[in-house]
Amino acid sequence: AQSVAQPEDQVNVAEGNPLTVKCTYSVSGNPYLFWYVQYPNRGLQFLLKYITGDNLVKGSYGFEAEFNKSQTSFHLKKPSALVSDSALYFCAVRALNSGNTPLVFGKGTRLSVIA
Amino acid sequence: DGGITQSPKYLFRKEGQNVTLSCEQNLNHDAMYWYRQDPGQGLRLIYYSQIVNDFQKGDIAEGYSVSREKKESFPLTVTSAQKNPTAFYLCASTPLTGPGDDGYTFGAGTRLTVV
Repeated sequence: AQSVAQPEDQVNVAEGNPLTVKCTYSVSGNPYLFWYVQYPNRGLQFLLKYITGDNLVKGSYGFEAEFNKSQTSFHLKKPSALVSDSALYFCAVRALNSGNTPLVFGKGTRLSVIA
Repeated sequence: DGGITQSPKYLFRKEGQNVTLSCEQNLNHDAMYWYRQDPGQGLRLIYYSQIVNDFQKGDIAEGYSVSREKKESFPLTVTSAQKNPTAFYLCASTPLTGPGDDGYTFGAGTRLTVV
């Protein structure tokens, strides 16, 4: 079975400081990992994905994520947070060679960037 | 522009009433999904469909029904058997291309409230 854990319901960070939103996963075989962002009353928007290759993945809006196989983690990072980054962030996973089984999502982490 | 359209944006249901949420995509995607979003619970899979005239139950299918008569359309009916239907409903789609696709494209959601 696949699962995703986002251990923090809320992350607060000052504008200009680096931010990290944590994600750990469990999957049989190699993972296919995603980060999505959701603004109030909207659908989810794709930020970045990891399939294989470089463990540091760069995505939209200056976000990046670091894949760590030994720790089964895929933490989302940004060097300098903006107030406009305040939103709900979801990590998602499925097994890489599982056909097109549905993504499993974490519970989400609310990021609040304070000016 | 290609995308997913969910309608209506807001829907109110009386006790004992069935309601249908619309999801239409013009992306030529094969697979479509319905998720339910509740505060603090993330996204939970209701139903999904990978081809026309075929669909599978997700984790919380009880009280819901779907159809997939056309590739572009995947409507969700919330029946009177669903005891707690108040939630934000998200529709998503993806091509069946396996690894390399950008995960899901989401609609803007429908907020259903029982009155």
